[in-house]
Amino acid sequence: AQKVTQAQTEISVVEKEDVTLDCVYETRDTTYYLFWYKQPPSGELVFLIRRNSFDEQNEISGRYSWNFQKSTSSFNFTITASQVVDSAVYFCALSEVLSGGYQKVTFGTGTKLQVIP
Amino acid sequence: DGGITQSPKYLFRKEGQNVTLSCEQNLNHDAMYWYRQDPGQGLRLIYYSQIVNDFQKGDIAEGYSVSREKKESFPLTVTSAQKNPTAFYLCASSKQGQAVNEQFFGPGTRLTVL
Repeated sequence: AQKVTQAQTEISVVEKEDVTLDCVYETRDTTYYLFWYKQPPSGELVFLIRRNSFDEQNEISGRYSWNFQKSTSSFNFTITASQVVDSAVYFCALSEVLSGGYQKVTFGTGTKLQVIP
Repeated sequence: DGGITQSPKYLFRKEGQNVTLSCEQNLNHDAMYWYRQDPGQGLRLIYYSQIVNDFQKGDIAEGYSVSREKKESFPLTVTSAQKNPTAFYLCASSKQGQAVNEQFFGPGTRLTVL
C-alpha cells in the first residue's frame, strides 16, 4: 500500500525566512505522480504542482521550488522569502492507478505553516 | 467561472439523523471524490466515482452513501450508522480518474453532531 509521510506537523517562521516542507512517500509502483496542495484557512485545497515518477528535474515557480529525489523517495517543497500569505496547511499527495484504471490518491497528514510578520 | 460548490458550509445534525451534503461541479469532469478531514489525519477517501451511475468505496465508506445520477452532482449522505461523523468534508473532481490528473476541490462542509 502506498503511504505519504509529512513528519513536520507545524512550522513557524518569521517573514522573509526560507522554509522547507518535507515529504517522504512509499509505493511499489514504478509509475506514479506526486502532488503538493495548499489549504488556506478558508478550507479549499489548491493545487500547486504535479511531478511524475520519471521526471526528477527540480522545478521553480517564483518563490516556490520542489526537490524530487527518487533515491530517497522524497518530494520536498521550499518557500523562499516567506510571506504571511503563505500561512496555510500544505499537503503532499501520491497518486497511482488501481486495477480498472481508477485513480487513488493518498494524502499526507499535512504541515501547518505559520509565517509570523 | 468553473468550479466546485458545496453546500451547506456548516451543518449541524442531531444523533440518529441522516444528512446529505451537496457537491456540484461545472468543470465537465468525469471523476468525483469525497474526502473526510480530521485534525492531524489528513484527507481520507470516502467514495469516488469515475462516471455517471458508477461509484466505488474508498478507505472509510462505512456509514456513508453516495449517488451519481448526473455528471455534475455527487451528493454524500451521512447516515446514522456513522459513529463519529463530526468532521470537515471535502468534495473534489478531476478530468478523468487517471493518476496524472490533479484534483480540484470545493470549499468544504463542516458537519457537527450535537
